[in-house]
Amino acid sequence: QQQVKQSPQSLIVQKGGISIINCAYENTAFDYFPWYQQFPGKGPALLIAIRPDVSEKKEGRFTISFNKSAKQFSLHIMDSQPGDSATYFCAATIIHSGGYQKVTFGTGTKLQVIP
Amino acid sequence: DVKVTQSSRYLVKRTGEKVFLECVQDMDHENMFWYRQDPGLGLRLIYFSYDVKMKEKGDIPEGYSVSREKKERFSLILESASTNQTSMYLCASSPGTGAANTGELFFGEGSRLTVL
Repeated sequence: QQQVKQSPQSLIVQKGGISIINCAYENTAFDYFPWYQQFPGKGPALLIAIRPDVSEKKEGRFTISFNKSAKQFSLHIMDSQPGDSATYFCAATIIHSGGYQKVTFGTGTKLQVIP
Repeated sequence: DVKVTQSSRYLVKRTGEKVFLECVQDMDHENMFWYRQDPGLGLRLIYFSYDVKMKEKGDIPEGYSVSREKKERFSLILESASTNQTSMYLCASSPGTGAANTGELFFGEGSRLTVL
């Protein structure tokens, strides 16, 4: 049962272009939507995250757009660079009152930025 | 910086062997998690623990067990390894209650297990 659907599976973008990765979720109980970046041989690391009461969050070249009514969110990478080449995972999180969280990940997008 | 250390980066085991994957975190986090990562399937939660000696099943617990005897250490156990357990295993941790819990997971670098 795929609760977070991510597309595309892979993406090739020219240097300087815009990379766009899309995710859709089903469970309205999710209350935190992070994006993780993973380089080969490394574990995923948090890139940027948004809460559902905000429609957009920008950190440098990375922007999350969030559409609560459509239950969709996307990552935009502006001025994409070869160093951005990595696998990107969207995720949706429920943070329980007891302090632990249940994180559901998308299937990942392998981004390649070519010079 | 938070450090999550997985003791074995690469393991090769035979079908039926018992396998231990060890994970240690140095930030006094309450929560620890084990995921497996497979191409096209993303990261899937196997087990998690929110306190010492506490454990909860994730989405795919079959064939696995865990142990958390100390706060900083969370072990994943494959009682009898099978070929379909060949995968990348990722350990993660996060703070518990309070302002420190932003929902962020801190991952180790992974343990790639091959079962022959």
